Amino acid sequence: EDQVTQSPEALRLQEGESSSLNCSYTVSGLRGLFWYRQDPGKGPEFLFTLYSAGEEKEKERLKATLTKKESFLHITAPKPEDSATYLCAVQGKRDDKIIFGKGTRLHILP
Amino acid sequence: NAGVTQTPKFQVLKTGQSMTLQCAQDMNHNSMYWYRQDPGMGLRLIYYSASEGTTDKGEVPNGYNVSRLNKREFSLRLESAAPSQTSVYFCASSDPPGGSAEAFFGQGTRLTVV
Repeated sequence: EDQVTQSPEALRLQEGESSSLNCSYTVSGLRGLFWYRQDPGKGPEFLFTLYSAGEEKEKERLKATLTKKESFLHITAPKPEDSATYLCAVQGKRDDKIIFGKGTRLHILP
Repeated sequence: NAGVTQTPKFQVLKTGQSMTLQCAQDMNHNSMYWYRQDPGMGLRLIYYSASEGTTDKGEVPNGYNVSRLNKREFSLRLESAAPSQTSVYFCASSDPPGGSAEAFFGQGTRLTVV
């Protein structure tokens, strides 16, 4: 059964303090690993797709990396507007299910 | 380009009432999904449809039914609502022909069952 575990559940950082969010996964053949951002009261907003171990993608202050067992979302010099819940999800090659982790609530203090 | 549209945005039901949540996408995606989101539980997959005419159970299907009406529309039905079904429901679509597999979400339906 496909599974996604995210850590930590919540993270408070000072503005400019870099850190990483973790996503550990088990899946029967990885089709894609996805990162989303979700603001309160809104639907998840797509950030990145990673397909194979060693792949990296960047967008502004965010960089996502992938190994065979986990993915990291690195946040460099965050700003208060980066505060949100970050969700990780996987899709296996066996079927079209997309399974999510419980998310990491990130709060950046000014 | 509207993306994924869900109706209604808010709904209050009494225990035992039935209702259908509607979802439509205009991105020519093959796959569509229904999730529920509860505090501390993340997004849990209720049902999904890999293509028009097919539906499959997800992680928490009990108490729900779905219909893939055509390629654009995927509805979620609660036959006899229970307080445990109070949640925020999200519809998503993915897998455009020849494209990558990330899902795009609607803005959600906030359902309260009293």
